[in-house]
This record gives sequence, structure tokens and C-alpha cells, in this order.
Amino acid sequence: GENVEQHPSTLSVQEGDSAVIKCTYSDSASNYFPWYKQELGKGPQLIIDIRSNVGEKKDQRIAVTLNKTAKHFSLHITETQPEDSAVYFCAAETDSNYQLIWGAGTKLIIKP
Amino acid sequence: ETGVTQTPRHLVMGMTNKKSLKCEQHLGHNAMYWYKQSAKKPLELMFVYSLEERVENNSVPSRFSPECPNSSHLFLHLHTLQPEDSALYLCASSQDPDNEQFFGPGTRLTVL
Repeated sequence: GENVEQHPSTLSVQEGDSAVIKCTYSDSASNYFPWYKQELGKGPQLIIDIRSNVGEKKDQRIAVTLNKTAKHFSLHITETQPEDSAVYFCAAETDSNYQLIWGAGTKLIIKP
Repeated sequence: ETGVTQTPRHLVMGMTNKKSLKCEQHLGHNAMYWYKQSAKKPLELMFVYSLEERVENNSVPSRFSPECPNSSHLFLHLHTLQPEDSALYLCASSQDPDNEQFFGPGTRLTVL
């Protein structure tokens, strides 16, 4: 079955710098890759997603890249701000079932 | 506010107790989910309901019993739990099983 690995588990960056979180997946049939942000005391919230027919997607300061050959995808946050501090989760899904397989999460800390 | 509410937000119970977690979504979605979230581990999908019918049950112990009386409400009935069941239990909903999931804030469960 699908397995999703996420790195790093903790990432500390200076405010204004960029942050990159990486995930790898095992099932080549996976075709949907969302990223969720979880703030303290809240449930995860979708921030960006990408499907396998594109290699990159951008939404303001957030971008996701996908390399299907290497089976990895990454979240890029530019010009980080204090409100970006949270836990970020990647996930992967195939058309064959409705299950999102999740990474273990990355705690992003933005230092003032 | 995501449109998904969960009660209670915190629950402490003994191993012999019976309790229920409640989830309600106000989004008109057709699919609802229960997840278990433990520290530094991927989210674990427990149950999926689509149009009030269970479509996934990921080998969850029988001490967890879901109920979906209508498309807006989802319950998780708990009985004779173990201390290792202590975790954050998240409810989510989506328009259909392969669409964006909207999460509630979770119930923090502690089993003594």
C-alpha cells in the first residue's frame, strides 16, 4: 500500500526567509497531493494541492512542486511570517480508493 | 470556523466507561470521516461514511463503534478503551470522498 514520508519533522527559519518541506510517496498510481496546515487547537486545513497532470502550482507565497518520476513533492513558503508557524502535513491519494495517506507532519517555527 | 463542529472538546474517561464523540457538519457534504491523531505520527483514518453508508473501516478495534444517522451527523461510540487510545480524534467532511476535507477542531481524549 501507499506510504508517505515527510521531512523534516521540525523546521525553524528566520522570519522573511523561505521554508521547504519535502514528501516522498511509494505508490506510482497516486495522483492527488494536498498540503494541510494545522494550527494549535484546530484541525488541519487545506492550503494548497496539486494533481499529477501538473508539475507546479503557486498561490501567493505558497507553492507546491511535484516530481512524478522521483515520486516526491515539496511545499515552498516564501517570505515567511509569524502566522506561518504551524504543523504542516502532506498527503497522497489514488483514484482506486478514497483514502488520503498522510505524512507524519512538520512543525514549522518562524523566528522573529 | 470550518463548518465542522465536534463535542466535547476534551474528554477524560476510565477504561470501563462508555462515552460518545459527536461531530456535526453544516456544509451540506455527503462524506464524513473519523481520524485518530497521535503525537508525531501520521493521521490514521478510522472510518469513512458516504451518503450515510460506511465505505471504509481500517481494521479499527471493535471498542470504537461509529454511527452516521444522517449526512450531517457522525458519532463515535467508545467503550472499554485502553490507555493507548488516548489521542486527538478528528472529524472531517467533504462534498464527495475524493474532494477537499474540512476538519473539526477535534476531541482530546484521555483514557485513564
